[in-house]
Amino acid sequence: AQTVTQSQPEMSVQEAETVTLSCTYDTSESDYYLFWYKQPPSRQMILVIRQEAYKQQNATENRFSVNFQKAAKSFSLKISDSQLGDAAMYFCAIMEYGNKLVFGAGTILRVKS
Amino acid sequence: ETGVTQTPRHLVMGMTNKKSLKCEQHLGHNAMYWYKQSAKKPLELMFVYNFKEQTENNSVPSRFSPECPNSSHLFLHLHTLQPEDSALYLCASSSAASYNEQFFGPGTRLTVL
Repeated sequence: AQTVTQSQPEMSVQEAETVTLSCTYDTSESDYYLFWYKQPPSRQMILVIRQEAYKQQNATENRFSVNFQKAAKSFSLKISDSQLGDAAMYFCAIMEYGNKLVFGAGTILRVKS
Repeated sequence: ETGVTQTPRHLVMGMTNKKSLKCEQHLGHNAMYWYKQSAKKPLELMFVYNFKEQTENNSVPSRFSPECPNSSHLFLHLHTLQPEDSALYLCASSSAASYNEQFFGPGTRLTVL
């Protein structure tokens, strides 16, 4: 069975600084997708970034990038130039074939001005 | 309205009540999901519907009864709930094809007294 572990319950970052959120996962499949979702205090969860496991190149979306280490089953999220609007709960998730997402427990990110 | 909407946003009910949660998606998707989000726990997938057919029931107690009359609407009927069922219930939708992004609604905050 798939599992996702986020070992950092909370993280803090100063505005304009860079922060990295950790995620490890376990799967027996070779094909899968990994996702980072953001849940702001208003609670509507939105996709931040996703990575196809067969792609070696790390995904990037503006200030958000991932460090995908397939052999180590690690999928960290780096947020550069942090902004107040980045404050949220961040969830790492894995999807094997099909459309079922398995989520980690989440990391609360606080951004200090 | 756009995206995924959920009503009501907040619900307080007694253990003997019967209530229903409603989810509607305006994205043309053909898969819909119910998740339970409890404090300090990962999101738990409850049910999956693909093309109006239930394809996943993640060992959910029978006091939760889903209904999907068409690809745009999803209901969660609640009866004789327990206090431990208090949580945020999230609805999501996606294309039924594999590996697609899921779009989430804002959730219903349920409190069972």
